[in-house]
Amino acid sequence: GEDVEQSLFLSVREGDSSVINCTYTDSSSTYLYWYKQEPGAGLQLLTYIFSNMDMKQDQRLTVLLNKKDKHLSLRIADTQTGDSAIYFCAENNFNKFYFGSGTKLNVKP
Amino acid sequence: NAGVTQTPKFRILKIGQSMTLQCTQDMNHNYMYWYRQDPGMGLKLIYYSVGAGITDKGEVPNGYNVSRSTTEDFPLRLELAAPSQTSVYFCASSSPSLGQEAFFGQGTRLTVV
Repeated sequence: GEDVEQSLFLSVREGDSSVINCTYTDSSSTYLYWYKQEPGAGLQLLTYIFSNMDMKQDQRLTVLLNKKDKHLSLRIADTQTGDSAIYFCAENNFNKFYFGSGTKLNVKP
Repeated sequence: NAGVTQTPKFRILKIGQSMTLQCTQDMNHNYMYWYRQDPGMGLKLIYYSVGAGITDKGEVPNGYNVSRSTTEDFPLRLELAAPSQTSVYFCASSSPSLGQEAFFGQGTRLTVV
């Protein structure tokens, strides 16, 4: 399978920005994704970026893509306690999705 | 808006027993997937299907079987349950539209004792 790597934990204070990083191996991936998983629930799509873009902004979320370094990041502005969850990055390679191990974001009040 | 529905939500199996995890979607998606999620790990692809009658192995297919007789349903079968199959199982579906978002079910938590 493909190799998608993420750091396991991130802790921030409420109101700060959070930056979650991801590296992937397959440069032919068409789309790259960020999913959010809350406790006991399935994964929900937060945002995605097409591989020919280098940035996408969606309200408090900013996705940066560096294709040369195969690096994807998710910035959450003004992080809230409700943003506490596990965040997965994923790539789509020939209609199969490959996920990282997830980054657990802890937001302290 | 049902989306992707998985049953059961929880199950405890004894070693050697068999069971089928059910998955159905009402979005007319061609692609369907089964993943397992182990603690602290990402999702590993077990099997996937690109349409009715077509299935293929993912990264970790050993110990599992699937079938896809209809567009809506994609059951996952465990024939001889082993403790290593204790995990949370997620079914997902997608279509080759813009963005190709994968929609996930709520998961089945399986414990093999």
